[in-house]
Amino acid sequence: GQSLEQPSEVTAVEGAIVQINCTYQTSGFYGLSWYQQHDGGAPTFLSYNALDGLEETGRFSSFLSRSDSYGYLLLQELQMKDSASYFCAVSKDTGRRALTFGSGTRLQVQP
Amino acid sequence: DAGVIQSPRHEVTEMGQEVTLRCKPISGHNSLFWYRQTMMRGLELLIYFNNNVPIDDSGMPEDRFSAKMPNASFSTLKIQPSEPRDSAVYFCASSDPLTAPRLHFGNGTRLTVT
Repeated sequence: GQSLEQPSEVTAVEGAIVQINCTYQTSGFYGLSWYQQHDGGAPTFLSYNALDGLEETGRFSSFLSRSDSYGYLLLQELQMKDSASYFCAVSKDTGRRALTFGSGTRLQVQP
Repeated sequence: DAGVIQSPRHEVTEMGQEVTLRCKPISGHNSLFWYRQTMMRGLELLIYFNNNVPIDDSGMPEDRFSAKMPNASFSTLKIQPSEPRDSAVYFCASSDPLTAPRLHFGNGTRLTVT
């Protein structure tokens, strides 16, 4: 089976940096993904890490340590529009197609 | 690129009625997924298809749920009979082999069963 752990809520102020952690347990591991979902919206893809290390995409970065079964999403220069839920997800099969999602972290950015 | 298209956006029905949710994946994508989202259970994978063939339906709750993909551009998720506990947002997503496992989600169908 698969399980993912991430904090349920995080609060930060505009302009700050926030890190959302994710630990996972899987019978097989094929990569860690991150998705953003605004209230009432659909999940949208942010990043994917298959190998150890840091991937940077603009203000967002994602890190993976396969040996520690751990990853995080780093959001810099926070903006009000970053208030949303963030989900980590692991690939479920060797085809890397289906994803199992964590329960999500609700980020609230305050002025 | 029109994105993944789901219909209807909202569905309100009475317990015992049949519900059919529809999805059109992005053209050229060969994998299609049905997810259900609730506050209690989060985002759950119900079933996914690859090249129109069901690959994993282990997440389908029970026999009341069925899904089909008759061709590469259309899929349905049917609930018969519906129950109040089926109330949730149902998302369809698609992906292509070059950018997998990146999923492109539709806007979802919010189902309310009274």
